[in-house]
Amino acid sequence: DAKTTQPPSMDCAEGRAANLPCNHSTISGNEYVYWYRQIHSQGPQYIIHGLKNNETNEMASLIITEDRKSSTLILPHATLRDTAVYYCIVRVAEFGNEKLTFGTGTRLTIIP
Amino acid sequence: DTAVSQTPKYLVTQMGNDKSIKCEQNLGHDTMYWYKQDSKKFLKIMFSYNNKELIINETVPNRFSPKSPDKAHLNLHINSLELGDSAVYFCASSTYRAGELFFGEGSRLTVL
Repeated sequence: DAKTTQPPSMDCAEGRAANLPCNHSTISGNEYVYWYRQIHSQGPQYIIHGLKNNETNEMASLIITEDRKSSTLILPHATLRDTAVYYCIVRVAEFGNEKLTFGTGTRLTIIP
Repeated sequence: DTAVSQTPKYLVTQMGNDKSIKCEQNLGHDTMYWYKQDSKKFLKIMFSYNNKELIINETVPNRFSPKSPDKAHLNLHINSLELGDSAVYFCASSTYRAGELFFGEGSRLTVL
């Protein structure tokens, strides 16, 4: 699986958009970009995923660059409950490799 | 209704003991996982099962034995517990080859 690089920590003011970057310069054509978050010591929570098109759901938007070497997760109106560790994961779905490899993630702190 | 439930939530035991953690999902998924999160917060896959068949075994000591009596349950039995087994163990489920995993709340194991 391709490796991802994320900043270790970020702050964002409450009510503002939080933009979390992720580099995955060695991503291959059949690998998806997934985002998860882990609030305090709870189980990780799926946020969104994409292949090459931008994606949006009720939680966030995912912007993937045209060369697919990087992406940005956007939380449009951050709240205090969005404080968490955010993981960017690159994953290929093939037999025997149906796993998510978590890195160190970005610790996002929402400031009141 | 809890989608993925684990019991017990906390487990404190002595070295050398044998213990089990149970996991149940009511999402109708056919694939279940065990992940381990150590004290440094690294989250690593241990096992995955699809329809009761072992799919992934990530070089875990054979003291760890997963058992899947049916596709809604995946239990983890650990023999001869060691200090290094202290961690939070997360169960998860998904549909086969999907990257959207649903995690339980975790089981914190402390070995004294």
